[in-house]
Amino acid sequence: EIVMTQSPATLSVSPGERATLSCRASQSVSSNLAWYQQKPGQAPRLLIYDTSTRATGIPARFSGSGSGTEFTLTISSLQSEDFALYYCQQYNDWPRTFGQGTEVEIK
Amino acid sequence: EVQLVESGGGLIQPGGSLRLSCAASGFSFSTHSMNWVRQAPGKGLEWVSYKTSDRKTIHYADSVKGRFTISRDNAKNSLSLQMNSLRDEDSAVYYCAVSIEGHFAYWGQGTLVTVSS
Repeated sequence: EIVMTQSPATLSVSPGERATLSCRASQSVSSNLAWYQQKPGQAPRLLIYDTSTRATGIPARFSGSGSGTEFTLTISSLQSEDFALYYCQQYNDWPRTFGQGTEVEIK
Repeated sequence: EVQLVESGGGLIQPGGSLRLSCAASGFSFSTHSMNWVRQAPGKGLEWVSYKTSDRKTIHYADSVKGRFTISRDNAKNSLSLQMNSLRDEDSAVYYCAVSIEGHFAYWGQGTLVTVSS
């Protein structure tokens, strides 16, 4: 099983600042990496797939990068609605696995 | 608009059975692979099961293999998860999710399963 490790567990950021979230895979997942956002009481929402492709309706301030085992989600200028939990997920192999999540909180 | 509506959750005793359903609309259900993903209270996301549109390929997480069965009815735009021999650790919100090339493009709002005596 591919283990996905996200860091940090919690990221404290002020509105308007940049947030950088990391995701590491225990073995290469090529570019088969997605990012999801989840707010309390809501289902996850797809943000990024194939490492760097924004899903429909996702603002340009969200961007993804990386390949192989190291990936990054960057939120260029945090808006109030961006404070949430973020998960990475690999779909290069079975079972599909998620990271444990990074909470982006207001500083 | 894509809609996925889960139902069938509830309180069940350990060792019991439960069947979850997911009603899909707003997209071509019969041509998309589907998944169940769960989230225990206060915990992260765990993929549970997958079935292709042609029903020929199925995958299960090791944690549910032999106990859960995924099925789909393309004529009724419906996905199901039969859960047997339930354990405390199966307690979670269960989401159905549409797969597109491996990522989970659309999610339902989930249904809560609580396994407790």
